[in-house]
Amino acid sequence: QKEVEQNSGPLSVPEGAIASLNCTYSDRVSQSFFWYRQYSGKSPELIMSIYSNGDKEDGRFTAQLNKASQYVSLLIRDSQPSDSATYLCALEVRNTPLVFGKGTRLSVIA
Amino acid sequence: DAGITQSPRHKVTETGTPVTLRCHQTENHRYMYWYRQDPGHGLRLIHYSYGVKDTDKGEVSDGYSVSRSKTEDFLLTLESATSSQTSVYFCAISARTGHANTGELFFGEGSRLTVL
Repeated sequence: QKEVEQNSGPLSVPEGAIASLNCTYSDRVSQSFFWYRQYSGKSPELIMSIYSNGDKEDGRFTAQLNKASQYVSLLIRDSQPSDSATYLCALEVRNTPLVFGKGTRLSVIA
Repeated sequence: DAGITQSPRHKVTETGTPVTLRCHQTENHRYMYWYRQDPGHGLRLIHYSYGVKDTDKGEVSDGYSVSRSKTEDFLLTLESATSSQTSVYFCAISARTGHANTGELFFGEGSRLTVL
């Protein structure tokens, strides 16, 4: 059974700060990891994917993966009110359908 | 934007009635998925399809059936709706071209179903 754990939040950060979102998982053979953003009342959209240990940067977003410790995180630098959303962590094992965490609600306070 | 549409977007029905949700894609992707999203549970996979007439169950498939007679359409049917099936239903397709089944999914706008 693959499980993905996220703190449901809400995580509140001031505008301009770094938001740190964390995700742990239980399946040691998980291969691919994804972060999706979901605005209230909207559908999830992919913002980051990471496949190997280390950091991956894309603009203000950095995904970090540590397979030995079984966690993946998402850092959002210079947080903006428009980043306020629910962030879903998801993992994939050998081409099986994605398993999602329950999401962390982020609130960026202006 | 990937071409994926869901219908209906909103539906209210009564317990015991059949309901069919439709997902239509214009991307010619092989893999299609139905998820439901509920407060406190996140996104959970109901069924998925890996080709015409090829489907498989997800973690919450009880009470649901699916059909895929054409590449572009994936139907989700609730044979006899129950109040526990009140939810937001999302269809998704792979964001990559070709036959890849990947985690890079593109989601439809969702269908909000209320069962009274």
